[in-house]
Amino acid sequence: DAMVIQNPRYQVTQFGKPVTLSCSQTLNHNVMYWYQQKSSQAPKLLFHYYDKDFNNEADTPDNFQSRRPNTSFCFLDIRSPGLGDAAMYLCATSRDLANTYEQYFGPGTRLTVT
Amino acid sequence: AQTVTQSQPEMSVQEAETVTLSCTYDTSESDYYLFWYKQPPSRQMILVIRQEAYKQQNATENRFSVNFQKAAKSFSLKISDSQLGDAAMYFCAYRNTGNQFYFGTGTSLTVIP
Repeated sequence: DAMVIQNPRYQVTQFGKPVTLSCSQTLNHNVMYWYQQKSSQAPKLLFHYYDKDFNNEADTPDNFQSRRPNTSFCFLDIRSPGLGDAAMYLCATSRDLANTYEQYFGPGTRLTVT
Repeated sequence: AQTVTQSQPEMSVQEAETVTLSCTYDTSESDYYLFWYKQPPSRQMILVIRQEAYKQQNATENRFSVNFQKAAKSFSLKISDSQLGDAAMYFCAYRNTGNQFYFGTGTSLTVIP
């Protein structure tokens, strides 16, 4: 039973060519997160949505945008990918904002920038 | 700013033996949660165990238990009777009341048959 689904699992894009990564969830959770995880590094939170409220981390580059058209779907848009944006992108959900709730992760999308 | 440190990039354990993965964190808050997540190769991260900071009792989940030392800001994970399926990357994570998650850099655990 897939709960947090990410498509595609592998994405190759060209330098400067916009790319969109997709996440969907069947958990009906209020919160959805996007993380960037580079090799041998900790996942780094980019932003999250609480329902329709968007919350950007202070150090997330403007190159990264997100959309959440409904409860189930959330998209990560990279407007002009650079070589440094190559990474694993993890989507996660949480029932609510209270810190009692853990996150449920998708399998990730590995982005390659050529 | 909160930070989470996992000082062991790699660990190995013999099957059926016990291994402890270490994690320390830095925070000025008193109310927070700590988590251990497991990420098997090419698979998604799943929650192993969690600990509420206000609880003194260490959390346990079957073969997994933690040693939570709040004053020392230490949160280690003990895996007993290690199994081949325990081989994975393990991440320690901290969540504060502001809904911010901080992850450590992970410990890669190898289980030797």
